[in-house]
Amino acid sequence: SQTIHQWPATLVQPVGSPLSLECTVEGTSNPNLYWYRQAAGRGLQLLFYSIGIDQISSEVPQNLSASRPQDRQFILSSKKLLLSDSGFYLCAWSVKGQGYQPQHFGDGTRLSIL
Amino acid sequence: EDQVTQSPEALRLQEGESSSLNCSYTVSGLRGLFWYRQDPGKGPEFLFTLYSAGEEKEKERLKATLTKKESFLHITAPKPEDSATYLCAVPDQGGSEKLVFGKGTKLTVNP
Repeated sequence: SQTIHQWPATLVQPVGSPLSLECTVEGTSNPNLYWYRQAAGRGLQLLFYSIGIDQISSEVPQNLSASRPQDRQFILSSKKLLLSDSGFYLCAWSVKGQGYQPQHFGDGTRLSIL
Repeated sequence: EDQVTQSPEALRLQEGESSSLNCSYTVSGLRGLFWYRQDPGKGPEFLFTLYSAGEEKEKERLKATLTKKESFLHITAPKPEDSATYLCAVPDQGGSEKLVFGKGTKLTVNP
């Protein structure tokens, strides 16, 4: 069966520090991968998605970037964190299927910026 | 314009009190509608996919139905452990691999 791992579960970082959140998927190959941010009362905001290695689409201009160095690895990064980067970050994967397939989520990273 | 709207935003039920959550959508040529359950501090957990009007799916006390403009998640005789936020999502109209999520309904079931 397929599993998705996200780490760390919680992270406290000072303003201006760098960020690296990692997500890996097991049990499938060539998945679509997604990064979301979830803020209270605002729902899930898609940040990046990837249909293949080094193929990244950015949805929202921001202080973050994403990379996919391997088929089942997705990384969310920042060079300098802002207070507004605080939130709950979720990684998800799906089988390719032009939107007909559901996405499956990891357990998220709670990021607090001080 | 929001493609997916969920109502109510919050719902409180007594244990055993059945009710329904609504998810209305504005996309044309629906390619699927997905329901998720999200517990506090966790990622959304996939529940159901519905592909065509008239389709129904069931899991324990939950039944999801779909019409041409909306979906309902019916909860029969809920228990406190059914308390969670329920999200629905539809594929983005642009035909990409993206989903558009509603903001969710927070369900609380009191014992």
